[in-house]
Amino acid sequence: DAGVIQSPRHEVTEMGQEVTLRCKPISGHNSLFWYRQTMMRGLELLIYFNNNVPIDDSGMPEDRFSAKMPNASFSTLKIQPSEPRDSAVYFCASSFGHGDQPQHFGDGTRLSIL
Amino acid sequence: GNSVTQMEGPVTLSEEAFLTINCTYTATGYPSLFWYVQYPGEGLQLLLKATKADDKGSNKGFEATYRKETTSFHLEKGSVQVSDSAVYFCALSDRVGAQKLVFGQGTRLTINP
Repeated sequence: DAGVIQSPRHEVTEMGQEVTLRCKPISGHNSLFWYRQTMMRGLELLIYFNNNVPIDDSGMPEDRFSAKMPNASFSTLKIQPSEPRDSAVYFCASSFGHGDQPQHFGDGTRLSIL
Repeated sequence: GNSVTQMEGPVTLSEEAFLTINCTYTATGYPSLFWYVQYPGEGLQLLLKATKADDKGSNKGFEATYRKETTSFHLEKGSVQVSDSAVYFCALSDRVGAQKLVFGQGTRLTINP
């Protein structure tokens, strides 16, 4: 079975540019999560969706970040404009059912903002 | 709010040593508890889970028991291998409501041959 698929795996861009990260969750999963991981702050939940509806976006750092889930099989996380402090590994995860079900993670997008 | 505290790393052991990584939690209600493992360059993978008090989760020689009286979920392995070198995360979720996980800060484990 295909796992959570993220693209691109690596992104290097200059400060001020728009960055779009993409995620395809596992088919049949009804929840999707975006995380950011850095050495300084560890793993942070940015936003999560349930049945394509954003439920909690309290972890989104600021208005430069936005996330969408137009259908059950696709989500995007956009940063505009990007800044060097946004450099991190961004993970997408999906799950099905209630909180006793595990989340399945993609391999992440390593983002470097120069 | 809910929180998870893990023992600080890094932890360095020799091959075949006994491993314990401590994890304690604070939560309302009856959370499910998880251990995830992250190998270099990869996302987190579920290692094991327990959904109620006194449950023992186990996988790949790792074990953890859900201890409600001590609010703990310590990870153990009797004999570690070099391939166990990774970062380990303890996490909890609210079974009734939101599906989001609360993660500990992670513990980096290095096993030397």
